[in-house]
Amino acid sequence: DAKTTQPNSMESNEEEPVHLPCNHSTISGTDYIHWYRQLPSQGPEYVIHGLTSNVNNRMASLAIAEDRKSSTLILHRATLRDAAVYYCILSPRGGSQGNLIFGKGTKLSVKP
Amino acid sequence: GAVVSQHPSRVICKSGTSVKIECRSLDFQATTMFWYRQFPKQSLMLMATSNEGSKATYEQGVEKDKFLINHASLTLSTLTVTSAHPEDSSFYICSARVRYSTGELFFGEGSRLTVL
Repeated sequence: DAKTTQPNSMESNEEEPVHLPCNHSTISGTDYIHWYRQLPSQGPEYVIHGLTSNVNNRMASLAIAEDRKSSTLILHRATLRDAAVYYCILSPRGGSQGNLIFGKGTKLSVKP
Repeated sequence: GAVVSQHPSRVICKSGTSVKIECRSLDFQATTMFWYRQFPKQSLMLMATSNEGSKATYEQGVEKDKFLINHASLTLSTLTVTSAHPEDSSFYICSARVRYSTGELFFGEGSRLTVL
């Protein structure tokens, strides 16, 4: 499975934008880029995913580099409830199992 | 969005007993469900893939006789930890994907198992 590299932790101030980077230099042409987040003592929550084009939804935006070797999850205005571990994961398109392999993720702290 | 529910959310048992955790997709059909385990301050580790109507596929190092998985219907998968020991204490999480979808996985709330 292609691997991703994320910073262990990041800090943000409340109501400011947050850019969470992810490197995936060995990504294949059919790998989707998924982002999930996990709040303490909860199961992960889907945030966003994309293949080549930038994506926006109500939670966040995903900016994908032109060569697809990196991506950035953008939270436009961080709130205290956004404090979580954010996982960047590659998933084969329509993979035979469809499972997700989680790395260590980035622990985001949000200061009031 | 689709909802996946786990039960129980917390369970405490004595060493040597067996514990069953249920994972239900409440408003969609899931031919495949996944079981993860998470130890404190660590990431999720995939344990097995549960396929409706067939045997589960276990990841390397996961004992299939200890972690029994049954996926009897399109909305229910169960994980039974047999003869539990304190080292099995962990946070167990299931997930499911909407049938025929290649998009997001929906995760349950997790079940925290403590073996005394």
